[in-house]
Amino acid sequence: TQLLEQSPQFLSIQEGENLTVYCNSSSVFSSLQWYRQEPGEGPVLLVTVVTGGEVKKLKRLTFQFGDARKDSSLHITAAQPGDTGLYLCAGAPGAGSYQLTFGKGTKLSVIP
Amino acid sequence: NAGVTQTPKFQVLKTGQSMTLQCAQDMNHNSMYWYRQDPGMGLRLIYYSASEGTTDKGEVPNGYNVSRLNKREFSLRLESAAPSQTSVYFCASSIWGTGYNEQFFGPGTRLTVL
Repeated sequence: TQLLEQSPQFLSIQEGENLTVYCNSSSVFSSLQWYRQEPGEGPVLLVTVVTGGEVKKLKRLTFQFGDARKDSSLHITAAQPGDTGLYLCAGAPGAGSYQLTFGKGTKLSVIP
Repeated sequence: NAGVTQTPKFQVLKTGQSMTLQCAQDMNHNSMYWYRQDPGMGLRLIYYSASEGTTDKGEVPNGYNVSRLNKREFSLRLESAAPSQTSVYFCASSIWGTGYNEQFFGPGTRLTVL
């Protein structure tokens, strides 16, 4: 069974601070996705990384896929209250698998 | 485009009652999924349908049944609800075959079983 461990589980920071959340596994994934979920809503896809070492930027969010495709990180620069939410990573094991492996998430609170 | 829609948004059941959660997508996706989300447990896959006419069990299928009515619609049925099924249920869809299986989620159904 492939597992994805996310850390930290909870994070509370002041507006303007930087932060990084991590998604780690002992298994290799063909791709890895990051979702953000706001209270009372479903997860929304932010980005997919597919190549080892790949870095993608989405405004103030920077996503990196580990060289060995076993881990990923999400870095937020100058966090804003609108970044508050649950951040989930999900790994696709590979071709032929319909299932994603989800981490349990990092709950981020950005205090104004 | 509405994306993925789910009904109802909230539901309270008594133990032993039955109900069906409805899901529809208008993105012409071939694959659809049902998840439950519980505190500290993350998203767990209940059932999925890779394509119209097929359904398969996920990680936690016991106590549930599904029907892929057509390409757009995928329903989840609780035949005899139990308090352990109190959860938030999400439906998702994707275009399987790209290799990435990027999923699009509905807004969820919040179910309480008393």
